[in-house]
Amino acid sequence: DAKTTQPPSMDCAEGRAANLPCNHSTISGNEYVYWYRQIHSQGPQYIIHGLKNNETNEMASLIITEDRKSSTLILPHATLRDTAVYYCIVRVNYGGSQGNLIFGKGTKLSVKP
Amino acid sequence: GAGVSQSPSNKVTEKGKDVELRCDPISGHTALYWYRQSLGQGLEFLIYFQGNSAPDKSGLPSDRFSAERTGGSVSTLTIQRTQQEDSAVYLCASSLVRGVGGNTIYFGEGSWLTVV
Repeated sequence: DAKTTQPPSMDCAEGRAANLPCNHSTISGNEYVYWYRQIHSQGPQYIIHGLKNNETNEMASLIITEDRKSSTLILPHATLRDTAVYYCIVRVNYGGSQGNLIFGKGTKLSVKP
Repeated sequence: GAGVSQSPSNKVTEKGKDVELRCDPISGHTALYWYRQSLGQGLEFLIYFQGNSAPDKSGLPSDRFSAERTGGSVSTLTIQRTQQEDSAVYLCASSLVRGVGGNTIYFGEGSWLTVV
């Protein structure tokens, strides 16, 4: 079972920041927080991951609370192309099936004009 | 290649026939995963390969499903005697094995299978 809880859906206005929350209260010390998204009919796309520090890349920012029990993915300027299902996943960051991704239901983000 | 490559992208087959789906992982990636996603459903883990180790087959739904990985690179997922409930998109993914921050899993675009 997925170890994360996400709202099933969210709306965001085009050009505004999209803040997607994720709860992972049972996260272990060696587990990272990963975010993927899946645009309709495409394979999942990696967005960002982190352990305990906040992370930023060209796609998004990841804010992880100090106790690591929750995190927020931030898309700073959402576009219509960001409409997708966003998955928050916790996993160990090494090989083996322990590092397998277990997908929950994710958050369906709808970016509206 | 630049990304995970899968073929065919679409396959329609008759019930009872066998199908083979191919995955070519990112060059240098030693870990390879197969997932399945039925319409409107989440991703379901099927099988995992890592180097020369025995694969983790714990997610395969029945003995009609099998997979192999030749030469530590290309993998083939085979479904024998296909059933309508096998209709789904089959996703392949790959990653490096180890390294701080270097074990991100990257997905292909999937092979859409329709059993009629």
